[in-house]
Parts: sequence; C-alpha cells; structure tokens
Amino acid sequence: DGGITQSPKYLFRKEGQNVTLSCEQNLNHDAMYWYRQDPGQGLRLIYYSQIVNDFQKGDIAEGYSVSREKKESFPLTVTSAQKNPTAFYLCASRPPGNTIYFGEGSWLTVV
Amino acid sequence: SQQGEEDPQALSIQEGENATMNCSYKTSINNLQWYRQNSGRGLVHLILIRSNEREKHSGRLRVTLDTSKKSSSLLITASRAADTASYFCATANAGGTSYGKLTFGQGTILTVHP
Repeated sequence: DGGITQSPKYLFRKEGQNVTLSCEQNLNHDAMYWYRQDPGQGLRLIYYSQIVNDFQKGDIAEGYSVSREKKESFPLTVTSAQKNPTAFYLCASRPPGNTIYFGEGSWLTVV
Repeated sequence: SQQGEEDPQALSIQEGENATMNCSYKTSINNLQWYRQNSGRGLVHLILIRSNEREKHSGRLRVTLDTSKKSSSLLITASRAADTASYFCATANAGGTSYGKLTFGQGTILTVHP
C-alpha cells in the first residue's frame, strides 16, 4: 500500500538520551516534513526537506536533527539538547503544489 | 509563529446540526487547506481552496475564502457523530515555491453529540 510509515508509534526517552523517529514514504514525493504537536495545540514545523541531501530548519528546530540520504526516508533525531521533547510527532510528504499527506504519528515521552 | 488562527477553539453540537469553523491568517497566500485529525492520529486532507477562488464544495463540506479579510470558513452540514475531530486550517504563503511549507493554525475541536 502507498503511504507514509512512522515508527515506532510509542517511544520513551531517558534524560540525556538521543532518540530517532523513523519516517518512510513510498509515494515518490520530493518534499518531506516533520511537525511537532503538543496536547490540544496546533502543529509546529521542525524541519523540512525539498530534495535529497537538502533540508531546512522550521520554526522550532533547536534540539532536533534530520537527514535526507534517500528520497523515501526522512528520520528525525531528538537530541538531549531538546529540553521538553514530550509530544506527538508527525511526518508528512507532499507532491508539488498539492496537499500534504501525513503519517499516523509517533508519541515520544520522557521518563 | 502560527499563520492561521481558528475560531472557535471548541464547538459542541447535536447530530444533524451544521458546524461552522473560521480561520484567519496574516499574510498573502497561494492557497488555504483544511485538515481533520481524529484523536491521536495523523491529519487527513479535506479540501483546498486557491486564492482566486471564493467558495468550494465537497460533499457535506463548504469552504469560503475572503482574501480581503484574510479569512476562511469551513461549514459541515448535517453533522454526524463521526465528524467529531479536530479541524485545522493551513496556509501556503504567496511567493513560495510549490514545495513551500504549510503553516497550521491551532485547530477547532468539534464534538457532535448523537
């Protein structure tokens, strides 16, 4: 089936630990995005990538890092520098000029 | 910063009633989109309206856009309990590339009581 797959669905992070959220798409979309959503809030853009080997910071990039080595994959690393990482993380992809397609999201909790 | 601001933040209605949600934005846009999110899930695209359009329909959904007031509204007619979800507007700024980022509002939580 075509779509965007995020994994894991639930992830727990200890203090000072880096964790990586996976995002894979088989829609052949060039652009990919990572958003953060806090409870009861809207989406805030972390990073986005328009093509392979290129990405730009969004509105809240501090404490996060990404890579785009393959068109299908756009993993997000939440580093220990992110002091309040507990949130719902959404990956998305987008064809030129059209709507954005979202994955099912990953819940990250600091323990 | 958030481009779109939805109003109201929460809306509670009875099944069969109409639900209207509003979105305001600050800068010129290429298009405005509405998305739906069920609790704990990803967002699903509902409808896109371009800056040169004033109204668009899709099934029970009607979207209007007033670029002079920088506002849009989403009307869901004859609501059903299954329409219970959060609804977000998202804007694509004018002058951006076709890959340009979307900016989402805070959302309206709609509850439809059976």
